[in-house]
Amino acid sequence: ILNVEQSPQSLHVQEGDSTNFTCSFPSSNFYALHWYRWETAKSPEALFVMTLNGDEKKKGRISATLNTKEGYSYLYIKGSQPEDSATYLCAFSDHSGYALNFGKGTSLLVTP
Amino acid sequence: GAVVSQHPSWVICKSGTSVKIECRSLDFQATTMFWYRQFPKQSLMLMATSNEGSKATYEQGVEKDKFLINHASLTLSTLTVTSAHPEDSSFYICSARWTQGLHEQYFGPGTRLTVT
Repeated sequence: ILNVEQSPQSLHVQEGDSTNFTCSFPSSNFYALHWYRWETAKSPEALFVMTLNGDEKKKGRISATLNTKEGYSYLYIKGSQPEDSATYLCAFSDHSGYALNFGKGTSLLVTP
Repeated sequence: GAVVSQHPSWVICKSGTSVKIECRSLDFQATTMFWYRQFPKQSLMLMATSNEGSKATYEQGVEKDKFLINHASLTLSTLTVTSAHPEDSSFYICSARWTQGLHEQYFGPGTRLTVT
């Protein structure tokens, strides 16, 4: 089992605030780092797949960075909106295959 | 695109009975499907990896005779929980890896199993 840690466990922000979460993962045998957005009763939605050290990806107001040498990734949300409320999952895969090792997620609540 | 369905979304069964959960990739072919489960306040944990036309590979601690996985086609994998017990109550979720894709995995919405 590869240990993936996410922090904070939960977060409550006001609409318009910017926020960020952290995902830490083993730095050895890195293959890919995934971010998912998971709303209740829906399928986890893939946000980003990152493979290269220093990689930065952006999708609208959401962006992510990756540091494979030290084993962490940040997810940023700029100008949070109530519809951003969800659980954000980070998952790591190593060279052994495509199976994902998940963190427990960060639960985000954005209130108007 | 890349939609994965899962059925049923929730099921309640009596102890000792068996339950089958279906996972379908609706608009793509999936050579590999994965089955995860999540207990309360825990992370999604991989149970098994299923490749079309071959036997599933189970993670350590997951009983292959209890959790039967069949991946008979490129769009369908099933998980059967045999002789279910209350401790099998959990959230089960599948994902599918697109045949042509390098990294992407697409998830179903999950199945909540309650064994009474």
